[in-house]
Amino acid sequence: DAEITQSPRHKITETGRQVTLACHQTWNHNNMFWYRQDLGHGLRLIHYSYGVQDTNKGEVSDGYSVSRSNTEDLPLTLESAASSQTSVYFCASSESVEVADAFFGQGTRLTVV
Amino acid sequence: GQNIDQPTEMTATEGAIVQINCTYQTSGFNGLFWYQQHAGEAPTFLSYNVLDGLEEKGRFSSFLSRSKGYSYLLLKELQMKDSASYLCAVMDSNYQLIWGAGTKLIIKP
Repeated sequence: DAEITQSPRHKITETGRQVTLACHQTWNHNNMFWYRQDLGHGLRLIHYSYGVQDTNKGEVSDGYSVSRSNTEDLPLTLESAASSQTSVYFCASSESVEVADAFFGQGTRLTVV
Repeated sequence: GQNIDQPTEMTATEGAIVQINCTYQTSGFNGLFWYQQHAGEAPTFLSYNVLDGLEEKGRFSSFLSRSKGYSYLLLKELQMKDSASYLCAVMDSNYQLIWGAGTKLIIKP
């Protein structure tokens, strides 16, 4: 069965360290997204990609970067982790721009201390 | 600015009916989505409305009024497993999903 997986599921890191969260999907979807979810806020878009070599900034992109070298993967990098980046991160993929019934990964809980 | 409003928390009784409202103000409209999210889990797709009216899917129904910027999710014959957060999201003119903060639904026996 096709799926979307995130790793790690939980991570604790120190302020200032570079951290990379992995996202891998086997749906063969062109569109992939990274969101963060914080209490009291809706899902907020960090970065997204509509295909290989395509990346775009979302609403809260400062301090984050992504790269898309193949269809399956969209890793999210925190260049220098800050306590404000403590959150739950979700990766998602969808078949096309117009079809937004996206499939979500199980999430990564990141704590920056 | 773009805004999605939904109640923070609602409580209902097992076997009853509950309606979760969502109002929105967005730059353009390309559809409204409802997702269910159990605690500690990923959101899962429930429904999609792009035209006015009611979409029924088993125990769940979703209604949309584009002129009023309003939607609701109706859950019938509530079960304990329906305890979850329900997320309303609107796709704007740039095909970006704008998300509400979610409504936590508590089901009591």
